[in-house]
Amino acid sequence: QKEVEQNSGPLSVPEGAIASLNCTYSDRGSQSFFWYRQYSGKSPELIMSIYSNGDKEDGRFTAQLNKASQYVSLLIRDSQPSDSATYLCAVNFRGFGNEKLTFGTGTRLTIIP
Amino acid sequence: DAGVIQSPRHEVTEMGQEVTLRCKPISGHNSLFWYRQTMMRGLELLIYFNNNVPIDDSGMPEDRFSAKMPNASFSTLKIQPSEPRDSAVYFCASSLAVTGGKNIQYFGAGTRLSVL
Repeated sequence: QKEVEQNSGPLSVPEGAIASLNCTYSDRGSQSFFWYRQYSGKSPELIMSIYSNGDKEDGRFTAQLNKASQYVSLLIRDSQPSDSATYLCAVNFRGFGNEKLTFGTGTRLTIIP
Repeated sequence: DAGVIQSPRHEVTEMGQEVTLRCKPISGHNSLFWYRQTMMRGLELLIYFNNNVPIDDSGMPEDRFSAKMPNASFSTLKIQPSEPRDSAVYFCASSLAVTGGKNIQYFGAGTRLSVL
């Protein structure tokens, strides 16, 4: 059973601070990793994708991937109240010829003004 | 682009009734996914299609669930007969399949199903 694990939270972070979200996965051969944000009552929306070891930055968001440790994280700098949402980690296991994404159960993030 | 379009947005039905959920993927996308989301189990993949062909239906919970994709612009998920435990939000997502699993899935707004 291929699994994606996330701390369910809630994670509370003061406005302006760095929010750090973590995710581990079970299959060492996984190739593609995604972070989705889901506001309450809304659908998931992609905020970051990462495929290679290291860091990938996009505005206030940085995704970090360590395949040896089977670990992917998302950092949100200068956290804003609008960042309050559930963040879902998704992994494509053995990507070639297989498009399935397995989602973690999500981490609920609250930014405190 | 209008994005992935799902209908209806809300469905309330009685146990034993047939329920049909509909999805129009993003134009040009060749893969379509049906998910179910509940508080207890999170977001679960039910089935996915590539080029209108079902590729993996291992997540379909039981024979009461069926899905079709008669053409590239339309898919249905049917539950017959429905049961209260089917109450959930059902999402449809689509993507343009590329090698290496780098496909990005775009989600519709979802259908909130309540079975009484």
